[in-house]
Amino acid sequence: DTAVSQTPKYLVTQMGNDKSIKCEQNLGHDTMYWYKQDSKKFLKIMFSYNNKELIINETVPNRFSPKSPDKAHLNLHINSLELGDSAVYFCASRQGAASYEQYFGPGTRLTVT
Amino acid sequence: GNSVTQMEGPVTLSEEAFLTINCTYTATGYPSLFWYVQYPGEGLQLLLKATKADDKGSNKGFEATYRKETTSFHLEKGSVQVSDSAVYFCALRISGTASKLTFGTGTRLQVTL
Repeated sequence: DTAVSQTPKYLVTQMGNDKSIKCEQNLGHDTMYWYKQDSKKFLKIMFSYNNKELIINETVPNRFSPKSPDKAHLNLHINSLELGDSAVYFCASRQGAASYEQYFGPGTRLTVT
Repeated sequence: GNSVTQMEGPVTLSEEAFLTINCTYTATGYPSLFWYVQYPGEGLQLLLKATKADDKGSNKGFEATYRKETTSFHLEKGSVQVSDSAVYFCALRISGTASKLTFGTGTRLQVTL
């Protein structure tokens, strides 16, 4: 009964490859997020979708493309991977305007070699 | 812009010691404030929150008071346990910004016997 799940948990790949990370939430939330946590634990928002519509798009290279096929899923596709993309990527979700809490997934550790 | 500043870690304490992790913020609006905790290998979990000045958030023995005059939200616990070892993130959210959380850099807490 995991609330926010991500796959894969670990991803090791070479520079130049294209990869996807998937996120699913079973909480019935309207809003989903992608965050990137670098090696120093600094956490920064990348994207947010509300009801499948993009509402936050921070300064992220356009090699990163989020896709929300439905309200419960927000996937992250990364083209032409670079060494600097190595990080832990967290998905999160939130319900409605009245709720402040974001529920985070367990993270996907991406290592680009 | 909005930003959160946390004390550098790691913070190393003996079990039952008193904990303070400092957090200050700058914000263009009137923020809500949060503490999130990340246990090893896991995603972030909301620890406590405060939505207006002088509010005190508390959970699991942790407390933090929203101080508007000093723009601070310091985390405290009277007696830490080994199980409290984790990374603690202070964060703020300005209403109307699609619930985007702005995080501090995180403070690692290590509690030893």
